[in-house]
Amino acid sequence: EAGVTQSPTHLIKTRGQQVTLRCSPISGHTSVYWYQQALGLGLQFLLWYDEGEERNRGNFPPRFSGRQFPNYSSELNVNALELEDSALYLCASSLEPGNTEAFFGQGTRLTVV
Amino acid sequence: AQSVTQLDSQVPVFEEAPVELRCNYSSSVSVYLFWYVQYPNQGLQLLLKYLSGSTLVESINGFEAEFNKSQTSFHLRKPSVHISDTAEYFCAVIAVNDYKLSFGAGTTVTVRA
Repeated sequence: EAGVTQSPTHLIKTRGQQVTLRCSPISGHTSVYWYQQALGLGLQFLLWYDEGEERNRGNFPPRFSGRQFPNYSSELNVNALELEDSALYLCASSLEPGNTEAFFGQGTRLTVV
Repeated sequence: AQSVTQLDSQVPVFEEAPVELRCNYSSSVSVYLFWYVQYPNQGLQLLLKYLSGSTLVESINGFEAEFNKSQTSFHLRKPSVHISDTAEYFCAVIAVNDYKLSFGAGTTVTVRA
């Protein structure tokens, strides 16, 4: 069975551009979580989706947004990219809300220049 | 809100020596506790978790952690490390009523022969 898959694996964007990151959860998992792992800042919670709805949001500006599709896959969109957005973006999924066993993807490495 | 403090950012250790990674948390509500491991250029993998019951939890690869409510700690230990244990280790908590993982800053373990 496939694990959590994220695409693309690496991405280079210019400041001010927009980017879309994609995540496919493990089959049967309805909850998807997004985290940012920036150098020196650790892992920061971004967004949580369950059953197509945004359930919780971390302390990030509105230019970070996303959605979850009927097949439970998810997109993370970042508008007006800033240099500080350079980070590894990790997606995780869990069978149900509660996240007591979240499975993480390999991440998307975003570099903003 | 919850917070997690990992007291050591870097832990060098010789092969077959014991290792302890310290984790303290703060929360005004009950929490679940987790240790995740991140091998180089990979996503996070769940190592072990404490939800309830016995305060000592074990992983399949020899790690163990003990939940100490009075000291609000969840330290990770392994009596004898291998080169393959070289990785970054993250302590994390979820408030029982929140479902959002809060991570510590991580501890990099480097095992040398």
